[in-house]
Amino acid sequence: DTAVSQTPKYLVTQMGNDKSIKCEQNLGHDTMYWYKQDSKKFLKIMFSYNNKELIINETVPNRFSPKSPDKAHLNLHINSLELGDSAVYFCASSPHYNEQFFGPGTRLTVL
Amino acid sequence: GESVGLHLPTLSVQEGDNSIINCAYSNSASDYFIWYKQESGKGPQFIIDIRSNMDKRQGQRVTVLLNKTVKHLSLQIAATQPGDSAVYFCAETEAGTALIFGKGTTLSVSS
Repeated sequence: DTAVSQTPKYLVTQMGNDKSIKCEQNLGHDTMYWYKQDSKKFLKIMFSYNNKELIINETVPNRFSPKSPDKAHLNLHINSLELGDSAVYFCASSPHYNEQFFGPGTRLTVL
Repeated sequence: GESVGLHLPTLSVQEGDNSIINCAYSNSASDYFIWYKQESGKGPQFIIDIRSNMDKRQGQRVTVLLNKTVKHLSLQIAATQPGDSAVYFCAETEAGTALIFGKGTTLSVSS
């Protein structure tokens, strides 16, 4: 009965590879987000979707592409992975733009 | 840019003490503020929120104070317990736009 789930929890890959992280929420929320947390624990929003439509697209390399097949899912695809992409990626959802519920995170390590 | 920051990156307290975690924000138009707690290996968890038309809000063992004059937000935790050890983030938003997170304060509680 996890509210916001992400898979995988850990992802280790080589530079140049393409990878995806999946996110699902069963809270019935309209809005979903992707955040990146760096090694200093700083959390920064990457994308926001509302009812499958892109609302926020912060300054993120176009190698990152979010995809929302339906309101309950927001996946993150990353092309041509770079060392600097290593971080923890969090998915979140909210019934509005305020209180957000976070997933457990995906730790991405690029070698 | 990052408009929300914290005064101290770390705070160490004894079990049973009261803890105060501070946050300064720079956007005077921000109208909603949230405190999140992030335990090791987990996603941020909502603790308490406050709107700009209030200056104080209390929850269970936690109190948030908002001083709009000096753009300062604080989280007070009463009778701090070892389970309170975590990284605490403040976040702000203006008119339903994306949350902007501060850098986080690591609270360590020793028994």
